[in-house]
Amino acid sequence: DAKTTQPTSMDCAEGRAANLPCNHSTISGNEYVYWYRQIHSQGPQYIIHGLKNNETNEMASLIITEDRKSSTLILPHATLRDTAVYYCIVNTGNQFYFGTGTSLTVIP
Amino acid sequence: NAGVTQTPKFQVLKTGQSMTLQCAQDMNHNSMYWYRQDPGMGLRLIYYSASEGTTDKGEVPNGYNVSRLNKREFSLRLESAAPSQTSVYFCASSEGPSQGGNQPQHFGDGTRLSIL
Repeated sequence: DAKTTQPTSMDCAEGRAANLPCNHSTISGNEYVYWYRQIHSQGPQYIIHGLKNNETNEMASLIITEDRKSSTLILPHATLRDTAVYYCIVNTGNQFYFGTGTSLTVIP
Repeated sequence: NAGVTQTPKFQVLKTGQSMTLQCAQDMNHNSMYWYRQDPGMGLRLIYYSASEGTTDKGEVPNGYNVSRLNKREFSLRLESAAPSQTSVYFCASSEGPSQGGNQPQHFGDGTRLSIL
């Protein structure tokens, strides 16, 4: 059973903000939302995670709705190197459940 | 900063052969994981070790065995390889159970395994 739902693909113009949505309507109260990305079948790269509050780091911002049923990853100024598959993951403690992710293409 | 190191990077096997995939981490993490990724799909958990001396099944454990050799090393063994096990295998580590869900996993670069 998929724990997250993401669009299959998205495009974004270089220099603009990329907003990647994720639905996780069955998330439990103690489960964290994680975002990773994978470039050219390399190992997944950690981006950010959160529980209830919005989070920001040097790579991205994570906006989690108040009911926690959805979230949005924001890359503030997308570059060509941000082209990758982005995974939204619900962490149940010991297990990450990866969906099929969103393939983001940054266009020059 | 090595992080998570996987060996080998590539391997071709014949059906029925056995093989052990090696993984080592240098971050003093307690928990380690093995995933597989098939074309066009996300990663699926095979086995994990929450702490040294323990191992548990994940989502797709059939056909695999694991050994947590020590805190640093976690190996994955295919006793009798089958074509359906052709995949990319990723190892990961995280701080450990005491952190609950508040612990990122750090991934290696994968082992690309083809079984003919």
